[in-house]
Amino acid sequence: AQTVTQSQPEMSVQEAETVTLSCTYDTSESNYYLFWYKQPPSRQMILVIRQEAYKQQNATENRFSVNFQKAAKSFSLKISDSQLGDTAMYFCAFSFTGNNRKLIWGLGTSLAVNP
Amino acid sequence: EPEVTQTPSHQVTQMGQEVILRCVPISNHLYFYWYRQILGQKVEFLVSFYNNEISEKSEIFDDQFSVERPDGSNFTLKIRSTKLEDSAMYFCASRKTGTTNEKLFFGSGTQLSVL
Repeated sequence: AQTVTQSQPEMSVQEAETVTLSCTYDTSESNYYLFWYKQPPSRQMILVIRQEAYKQQNATENRFSVNFQKAAKSFSLKISDSQLGDTAMYFCAFSFTGNNRKLIWGLGTSLAVNP
Repeated sequence: EPEVTQTPSHQVTQMGQEVILRCVPISNHLYFYWYRQILGQKVEFLVSFYNNEISEKSEIFDDQFSVERPDGSNFTLKIRSTKLEDSAMYFCASRKTGTTNEKLFFGSGTQLSVL
């Protein structure tokens, strides 16, 4: 069965600094998708970034980037120039390719950005 | 940006009672999902729905659960006889197509408390 592991329950970072959140996963598939979702105190799930496993280039979205290591089954999220609004739970998630596939989630990392 | 709307935001019920959680997906979306998040645990997939029928369901989604799209706009999750362990945040999500790469939009969730 596919699993997603986030080994850091809580992290903190100073405003304007860089922080990296870790995620590892386990699958025997060669093609799949990986996601990072943000859940602020409002509890809404917001997509931060996504990566297609067959693409070697790491995805980036403004201050957010990933380090995707397919052989190591690692998918870390780097947040540069951290802002107070980045304070949230961050979830790593996995999905098979294809139609109408479910997301498999990690336990989450609670990130606090301190002024 | 369009939104998925969930009502109510909080629901308190007595064990054994029926509850209906309501969701209004984005109007041109065709694929609908329910996930739940028990406090301190992983987000879990419950069910996916397309073309007025269930596409996939998890082992959690037993005979006590049902979903319906009664009027072409609402998407409901019914729990027939609630148990204490059904206490969780329930998220509705929708996407325009079933392609996993297509962005999945989440609602803000309904916090269900079973007493």
